[in-house]
Amino acid sequence: AQSVTQPDIHITVSEGASLELRCNYSYGATPYLFWYVQSPGQGLQLLLKYFSGDTLVQGIKGFEAEFKRSQSSFNLRKPSVHWSDAAEYFCAAGGTSYGKLTFGQGTILTVHP
Amino acid sequence: GAVVSQHPSRVICKSGTSVKIECRSLDFQATTMFWYRQFPKQSLMLMATSNEGSKATYEQGVEKDKFLINHASLTLSTLTVTSAHPEDSSFYICSAGGVRGDNEQFFGPGTRLTVL
Repeated sequence: AQSVTQPDIHITVSEGASLELRCNYSYGATPYLFWYVQSPGQGLQLLLKYFSGDTLVQGIKGFEAEFKRSQSSFNLRKPSVHWSDAAEYFCAAGGTSYGKLTFGQGTILTVHP
Repeated sequence: GAVVSQHPSRVICKSGTSVKIECRSLDFQATTMFWYRQFPKQSLMLMATSNEGSKATYEQGVEKDKFLINHASLTLSTLTVTSAHPEDSSFYICSAGGVRGDNEQFFGPGTRLTVL
């Protein structure tokens, strides 16, 4: 069965510190991979996506993610976290064009001043 | 571009009534729309996939007679929660896909439904 796992439910970092959010997927083939961010009571905003090609993907707001086929991972990183980055982050995977996405459980990010 | 709106953003209703939620693609045509449900502190659970002009495809465990989905045009899909009960209280989010010819979905801001 297709699945996406985000092992960390809640992460707390200090402002200015680096960040890595983990995501592992289980799919029959290399899926399309996404990271979305959700602020409380809001919809989802796309941070970045991977379809093929360069395994290091740059996104908005200074985020990047690296696709590692050998580890079935697509971890999200940011070198220096800002207080405004506090939100919930979702990793998602899809198997086909126009197809449905499978979401991970989400990781809540808290940023301390 | 690729903006999706939802209306209403928040609705409170009495148990037994029906509630309609609209999802619109504002600047593009969406052949496929998706409806999700999100409980507090949980992830998004896909309820159904809606294709313009055809019947929606519901995920396992989702009652199609309770959650009526209509996708009558390329810019509008509606979700009607019929005979709503308190357990239907949730955050409902729609998304539109197939915009760039890939798997990316564009999400609406969500609708908070509270059933008293």
